[in-house]
Amino acid sequence: SQKIEQNSEALNIQEGKTATLTCNYTNYSPAYLQWYRQDPGRGPVFLLLIRENEKEKRKERLKVTFDTTLKQSLFHITASQPADSATYLCALDGGGSQGNLIFGKGTKLSVKP
Amino acid sequence: DVKVTQSSRYLVKRTGEKVFLECVQDMDHENMFWYRQDPGLGLRLIYFSYDVKMKEKGDIPEGYSVSREKKERFSLILESASTNQTSMYLCASIPGLAGDNEQFFGPGTRLTVL
Repeated sequence: SQKIEQNSEALNIQEGKTATLTCNYTNYSPAYLQWYRQDPGRGPVFLLLIRENEKEKRKERLKVTFDTTLKQSLFHITASQPADSATYLCALDGGGSQGNLIFGKGTKLSVKP
Repeated sequence: DVKVTQSSRYLVKRTGEKVFLECVQDMDHENMFWYRQDPGLGLRLIYFSYDVKMKEKGDIPEGYSVSREKKERFSLILESASTNQTSMYLCASIPGLAGDNEQFFGPGTRLTVL
């Protein structure tokens, strides 16, 4: 079965730096990969989706890359701010046609002023 | 704006009680999902539904059942609550049958079983 790993449980960086979060998967190549943000006590909120034929996607200060050879996605937040502090979840398509996702355990990002 | 609402933010129940968690979405989405989220284990899929009265087991369906009598409402039922079902429960929905849509999540219900 598909396994998904987000390498760091926690990442601490200084305000203004670029945060880079990693998502690795084993087994089959997903048709797409999604990134979500989750604040404490709240449901996840969708940020970006990248498909298997796309190398990179950007949205404002966010950038996602997808390397199907390395079986890895990188999620970057440039010019990070304390308000970016949250848990970030990577999710892969579950292999079905109903929109099932397999979620990683998340990386908790803390941006210090 | 899509809105997914869950009936309670916090719930405390006793072992053996039957528990109903309700989820309602207001955007005519076909597919709805129930997850539980635990520290160190992440989000795990319990059940999902792709149409009224249709349901599919997720990764951890044991001890749970679901009901979808109307398109906008998806209920999670704990037949006989146990302490190991203490968790954060999250409902989500997606539009259409295409698989690559973003999931819209509700705010979550933190359930404690004593």
